[in-house]
Amino acid sequence: DAGITQSPRHKVTETGTPVTLRCHQTENHRYMYWYRQDPGHGLRLIHYSYGVKDTDKGEVSDGYSVSRSKTEDFLLTLESATSSQTSVYFCATAQGATNEKLFFGSGTQLSVL
Amino acid sequence: SQQGEEDPQALSIQEGENATMNCSYKTSINNLQWYRQNSGRGLVHLILIRSNEREKHSGRLRVTLDTSKKSSSLLITASRAADTASYFCATDTGGGADGLTFGKGTHLIIQP
Repeated sequence: DAGITQSPRHKVTETGTPVTLRCHQTENHRYMYWYRQDPGHGLRLIHYSYGVKDTDKGEVSDGYSVSRSKTEDFLLTLESATSSQTSVYFCATAQGATNEKLFFGSGTQLSVL
Repeated sequence: SQQGEEDPQALSIQEGENATMNCSYKTSINNLQWYRQNSGRGLVHLILIRSNEREKHSGRLRVTLDTSKKSSSLLITASRAADTASYFCATDTGGGADGLTFGKGTHLIIQP
């Protein structure tokens, strides 16, 4: 998966707890993205980053925050997890801003009980 | 809301047959891409077609783009069991850093 590692791969948590998902890339790509994938909705963009400390909101950003302190790491935090955030989360990277090709990690299956 | 919508949602064919999937979108695009997702894995980029291109080939893949109809098709020729996967179209509407907009996908099953 093109040097993109997501951790953890699976997580079960309880409603109201904070959760942080990590994406680590070794490609030195400038652009990083967090998507969620749900049946019937396809992939939806949560947040993205266009450089260290530069982030912006996507289509479904409510309830999520992100941080990028290093080029290689992009963290997604659920401040207080809810059952509606049960999903598969994918990190993706792109070399340039032309969106010509995204590279995806293997995903994190998150269950909020 | 979804920019691209794939059709059909599911497709089952015999090995060796050709598989055709379609994608319709709503607004003008810079490029349209197709991705494959095997069960339990991340998406893998297959092919990109730019708005000024009408057809593109890559191995057994053929992609067409009709900007007047805002639609694209992905043809997989001589299908193999390993082609069983979900296929997504994704559109780039602005060329900026905010990523691609994905459709809901077509689930393709190749029967041996």
